[in-house]
Amino acid sequence: AQSVTQLDSQVPVFEEAPVELRCNYSSSVSVYLFWYVQYPNQGLQLLLKYLSGSTLVKGINGFEAEFNKSQTSFHLRKPSVHISDTAEYFCAVSKSSGSARQLTFGSGTQLTVLP
Amino acid sequence: GAGVSQTPSNKVTEKGKYVELRCDPISGHTALYWYRQSLGQGPEFLIYFQGTGAADDSGLPNDRFFAVRPEGSVSTLKIQRTERGDSAVYLCASSSDRGNEQFFGPGTRLTVL
Repeated sequence: AQSVTQLDSQVPVFEEAPVELRCNYSSSVSVYLFWYVQYPNQGLQLLLKYLSGSTLVKGINGFEAEFNKSQTSFHLRKPSVHISDTAEYFCAVSKSSGSARQLTFGSGTQLTVLP
Repeated sequence: GAGVSQTPSNKVTEKGKYVELRCDPISGHTALYWYRQSLGQGPEFLIYFQGTGAADDSGLPNDRFFAVRPEGSVSTLKIQRTERGDSAVYLCASSSDRGNEQFFGPGTRLTVL
C-alpha cells in the first residue's frame, strides 16, 4: 500500500515570492508521482508527473518538482508566484507496474497568494 | 476535444434514498476510476474499471455502493440507502490503456440531508 503526507495544510505567501509545497510518500513498491491543482469549483488538473529519468521535472504554469528517492519526497516549487496560483494542491502516487494505476492522494495544501 | 463529463453537477437527496451518478469518460479511454473527496481531504479511490469489468473495487466503503460500466464507456456509480456520511464530491477520471495520466471530471457534489 502507498501513503502520501503533505506536511502543510495551508501556505500563505506574498505575490512574486518563491514557494515550496512539501510532499512525502511511503510505498513498498516502485511508484509514479504526481502533483495536481484544484481551483475553486473545478476538477483536478495535472501540474506535473515523475515517471522515470531526470529527478527534476517541470510542469505547467512555471512549477517544478524534484524527486528524492532517499528521502521519499517530491516537493513542488515555483520561484515566483502569482495571485492566480491560489488553489488547492494535491500530491499523489500510483504503482508503476500492473494495470491498476489508482492514485493515492495526500490531504492537500491550500496555497494562498497575497497581494 | 471533450474532456470527462459528470452528471449531475449537484445532487441533494434525503437520507435513505437511492442515487445514481454518471461519468462520461474521454472517448477511447479504456480505464475509468471513481474517487470520493470529502471536505478538506484529498480524493480517495473507490473503484477501477478496465473496459467493462471492475478490475479493482477495494475502495468501495460497503455494499451500499455499486458501479457499472456495461459498454466500456459511460459508468454509473449507484448508492443505495444513502447516509449523511455519504455527502462528498464524487470524482471520475479516465486514462488511455496503460496510460500514466488520469484526466478528471468536474465532479458531482452529493449532499444527503
